Amino acid sequence: DQQVKQNSPSLSVQEGRISILNCDYTNSMFDYFLWYKKYPAEGPTFLISISSIKDKNEDGRFTVFLNKSAKHLSLHIVPSQPGDSAVYFCAARLNNNDMRFGAGTRLTVKP
Amino acid sequence: DAGVTQSPTHLIKTRGQQVTLRCSPKSGHDTVSWYQQALGQGPQFIFQYYEEEERQRGNFPDRFSGHQFPNYSSELNVNALLLGDSALYLCASSFGGTDQPQHFGDGTRLSIL
Repeated sequence: DQQVKQNSPSLSVQEGRISILNCDYTNSMFDYFLWYKKYPAEGPTFLISISSIKDKNEDGRFTVFLNKSAKHLSLHIVPSQPGDSAVYFCAARLNNNDMRFGAGTRLTVKP
Repeated sequence: DAGVTQSPTHLIKTRGQQVTLRCSPKSGHDTVSWYQQALGQGPQFIFQYYEEEERQRGNFPDRFSGHQFPNYSSELNVNALLLGDSALYLCASSFGGTDQPQHFGDGTRLSIL
């Protein structure tokens, strides 16, 4: 029962351009959404989050958009940098105790 | 300020054996969650411990059990290991009752032969 889906396993963009990572969910009870970044041999690192009562949250180069009616979440990175190359996981929280993760999208930013 | 630490980093076991993985939460955190990440997948929630009790559990069999100690550190135990238990096991800590995100350790890579 995969309640959080990242349908693109990989994404490649040119340095300086925008990266858009997408995530879809099925459970309307999720109250909080997060993006994590993961480098090889390291644990996921928190990047940015958004409450279900908001539709946008911005932190520097990173912006997360939430469309509740479409049950869709996206992460925008602009401008993209080579150091952003990593696997990005979308996560949704249920009742403050249980987080569900997508399968991840591997982002490659080319110089 | 130490982050989440997990031990060991790698472990090799055979089918039927039992294993214990350990986690020390980030300083100031009192809640520990465990996740299993299979190759090519996202982390799957196993369970969460708070105040030394299991507060929430994902869809994992009873072979998976855990414990939280008074100093908030935690152990994950897996009995009767199966080949399918081969995965990266991640521990995450947080401060209960807040919206602060979970912080992850680097994980324990468990291989079952």
